[in-house]
Amino acid sequence: GQNIDQPTEMTATEGAIVQINCTYQTSGFNGLFWYQQHAGEAPTFLSYNVLDGLEEKGRFSSFLSRSKGYSYLLLKELQMKDSASYLCAVRGDYKLSFGAGTTVTVRA
Amino acid sequence: DGGITQSPKYLFRKEGQNVTLSCEQNLNHDAMYWYRQDPGQGLRLIYYSQIVNDFQKGDIAEGYSVSREKKESFPLTVTSAQKNPTAFYLCASSIGEGTDTQYFGPGTRLTVL
Repeated sequence: GQNIDQPTEMTATEGAIVQINCTYQTSGFNGLFWYQQHAGEAPTFLSYNVLDGLEEKGRFSSFLSRSKGYSYLLLKELQMKDSASYLCAVRGDYKLSFGAGTTVTVRA
Repeated sequence: DGGITQSPKYLFRKEGQNVTLSCEQNLNHDAMYWYRQDPGQGLRLIYYSQIVNDFQKGDIAEGYSVSREKKESFPLTVTSAQKNPTAFYLCASSIGEGTDTQYFGPGTRLTVL
């Protein structure tokens, strides 16, 4: 079976840094994805990790440790538009399994 | 513009009626997927199709049906057998090989009264 855990909510101040953790237990592992979803809209792709280490993409970075079943998404220089839900998804043997999402609220 | 479209954005139906949600993509993707999203839960896979004229059940297929007669189209029918159909439905597509990324449509919010 698949089990993906991430915090339900996080709050941070504009300009700050927030780290969203994701732990997983899956049958098979073929990569981990992070998506951003604004309320009522489609999830949009942020990052993909399949090897251990850090992937940096502008203000967003994603880290993976396969041995620990752990990933995090790092959001730097937070902006108000970053207020959204962030979904961790793991590809197992044949499909993506999603965590429930972490709602990030950015305060001025 | 290439992308995935879903229509309508909002849909209301009476209990006991079947309803079909459309999903179209012009990305030339082989694989298409249907997910359901409920508050406080992760996206759950309903059906997926890796190629035209073929599809497989996901984790929560009961009460739903699909067809894949064209590469571009993957409609989802929510039947009266689905006990709790009110939800946000998301369609996605991907190239279809290995660990490729899935791209999502804008979603349809279905409310059954």
